[in-house]
Amino acid sequence: AQSVTQPDIHITVSEGASLELRCNYSYGATPYLFWYVQSPGQGLQLLLKYFSGDTLVQGIKGFEAEFKRSQSSFNLRKPSVHWSDAAEYFCAVALNAGNMLTFGGGTRLMVKP
Amino acid sequence: DTAVSQTPKYLVTQMGNDKSIKCEQNLGHDTMYWYKQDSKKFLKIMFSYNNKELIINETVPNRFSPKSPDKAHLNLHINSLELGDSAVYFCASSQKRGPSYNEQFFGPGTRLTVL
Repeated sequence: AQSVTQPDIHITVSEGASLELRCNYSYGATPYLFWYVQSPGQGLQLLLKYFSGDTLVQGIKGFEAEFKRSQSSFNLRKPSVHWSDAAEYFCAVALNAGNMLTFGGGTRLMVKP
Repeated sequence: DTAVSQTPKYLVTQMGNDKSIKCEQNLGHDTMYWYKQDSKKFLKIMFSYNNKELIINETVPNRFSPKSPDKAHLNLHINSLELGDSAVYFCASSQKRGPSYNEQFFGPGTRLTVL
């Protein structure tokens, strides 16, 4: 069965610092990969997705993610964090297009002034 | 314009009751989903519904049943509510064609509390 691991439950960074959130997946083939953000009390918003092609994908709000097949990873990055980025971030995979998402456990990002 | 809407936003009820949560999407999508987010923020798929095809996560108790009156709605019925059903339930939708291919759009969630 496929699984998604986000090793960091909590991360705290200073405003303006760079950010990297880790995501590893376990599946025989390359799944479809996603990052979602959930602000407190809100639903989930898609940040970016990877289906195929260029392994570095750009998303909204200045985020990017890099797919590394050899490491089964899809880490999310942002060069300079803003206080408004404080939220819960979820990595997710789907076996194929249209399939149900399997989510990682989430990483809570806190931003220090 | 709300893309995926859910009602109610909050639902507090007693154990043993039967309740429903409604979901509507105005995106013209052909697939809808229900997810459960527990108190530890862990998100888990419950159902996927595409026209006449219902895919059920085998771990979901049969007290939970999705009902789709039409393509834009996928309601969640829960019978004999238990304390462990307390969670936030998210509806989502996606389209198998077009520019937002397979991108799932989520509703704002319904926080269910069972007393």
